[in-house]
Amino acid sequence: AQSVTQLDSHVSVSEGTPVLLRCNYSSSYSPSLFWYVQHPNKGLQLLLKYTSAATLVKGINGFEAEFKKSETSFHLTKPSAHMSDAAEYFCVVETGANNLFFGTGTRLTVIP
Amino acid sequence: DTGVSQDPRHKITKRGQNVTFRCDPISEHNRLYWYRQTLGQGPEFLTYFQNEAQLEKSRLLSDRFSAERPKGSFSTLEIQRTEQGDSAMYLCASSSLRGRLGGSYEQYFGPGTRLTVT
Repeated sequence: AQSVTQLDSHVSVSEGTPVLLRCNYSSSYSPSLFWYVQHPNKGLQLLLKYTSAATLVKGINGFEAEFKKSETSFHLTKPSAHMSDAAEYFCVVETGANNLFFGTGTRLTVIP
Repeated sequence: DTGVSQDPRHKITKRGQNVTFRCDPISEHNRLYWYRQTLGQGPEFLTYFQNEAQLEKSRLLSDRFSAERPKGSFSTLEIQRTEQGDSAMYLCASSSLRGRLGGSYEQYFGPGTRLTVT
């Protein structure tokens, strides 16, 4: 069965410093992986997705993630945090039935 | 607005009452999904439709829950005899049958309906 584990429930960074949100996956085959962001009182928005093409995936708002099969990881990064990045981030794996399995989320706080 | 819409956005009900939520997907999206999100957790899959056919139901979907998509457009999720444990955010998402990249169908989410059972 496919699943993901988000290693940090809360990450706090200063504005302008790098962001790293960690995610490990478990899958019996090459997975489709996603990162979604959820701002308060707003719907989930897709940041980026990996579907077995390039291992380095670029998304919206300057985010990117690297698929590392040897480490079963799909960490989300951004070179410089902005105040508007403060939100809940979910690492997601697509199950065989085209449904999504969400991690428990990482809350990102950006300190001015 | 051409995104996924859900109604109502908030619902407060007393234990034992029935509630019904509505989801309007993006026009021409064949697939429609329901998820439940409790506080501090990620969304959990409940069920999905392809056109009007309900193709999969999670074990989370007890007999008190029923979902329909009668004409392959909007969908309703009904909870009968609500319990306090049903309090959660109920999310709807839709996707096109045609994957845009690598065969994976991007799901677009609505803003959710927050249910509080007192």
